[in-house]
Amino acid sequence: GNSVTQMEGPVTLSEEAFLTINCTYTATGYPSLFWYVQYPGEGLQLLLKATKADDKGSNKGFEATYRKETTSFHLEKGSVQVSDSAVYFCALSDHREGGSEKLVFGKGTKLTVNP
Amino acid sequence: DSGVTQTPKHLITATGQRVTLRCSPRSGDLSVYWYQQSLDQGLQFLIQYYNGEERAKGNILERFSAQQFPDLHSELNLSSLELGDSALYFCASSVRLAASSYEQYFGPGTRLTVT
Repeated sequence: GNSVTQMEGPVTLSEEAFLTINCTYTATGYPSLFWYVQYPGEGLQLLLKATKADDKGSNKGFEATYRKETTSFHLEKGSVQVSDSAVYFCALSDHREGGSEKLVFGKGTKLTVNP
Repeated sequence: DSGVTQTPKHLITATGQRVTLRCSPRSGDLSVYWYQQSLDQGLQFLIQYYNGEERAKGNILERFSAQQFPDLHSELNLSSLELGDSALYFCASSVRLAASSYEQYFGPGTRLTVT
C-alpha cells in the first residue's frame, strides 16, 4: 500500500535559518502530495500541494517539488521565523485507489525556531 | 478557520463507555473523513463518507462506527472505550478542484481522554 516517510526530528533552528524537511513516498499509482502544518493546540492546515510530477507547490515562503524519479517531496524555506514553529506533516492521496481521496500521513516533524 | 466544525472540543470518559463525536463539513462539501491522531500511531485514516454513503474504510476498529446524515453532518461513535482510544479525532471535508485535484480541510479536533 501507499506510505510516507519523513524525517521525524525534532528540528531546532535559529530565526532566518534555512529549513529542509525530507519526505519520501511509496505509491503504486500517481498520487497527489501535500504538506500540512499543525500549530500547537490546533487542527491541521493545508500548507501546499502538488498533483503531478515536477509540480512545485508554494505558500508563505515554503515550497516543495514533486520528484517522481526520487519519489520525494521535500519541504524547504529559505528563512524561518519564530512563528513557523509547528509540526509539519507530509501526506499523499490517490483518489484512483478505491475512489477515495483519503490521506496517508508521515509521522510528522516538530520544528522549533528560536529567536 | 477552515469552516469545518467539530463538537465537543474535549471529552473525558471512563473505560467501557460510549461517546459520539460530531462534525459539520464546510458548506457544499459532500465528503467527510475521520482521522485519529495518537502518539504511538500518528495520524491514521478511519473512514470516509460521501453524500451519505460510506466511501472508504481505513484502520477503524469494530467498536467504532460512523454515519453521515442528509444534512451532511457526520457522527463518529466510539463504544466499549479502552484507555488506548485516548487520542485526538479529526474530521475533514474535501473540495474537488479538478479531475485529480482535491483539498481536504480539517476541523479543530475532539480530544478524547479515556480514564
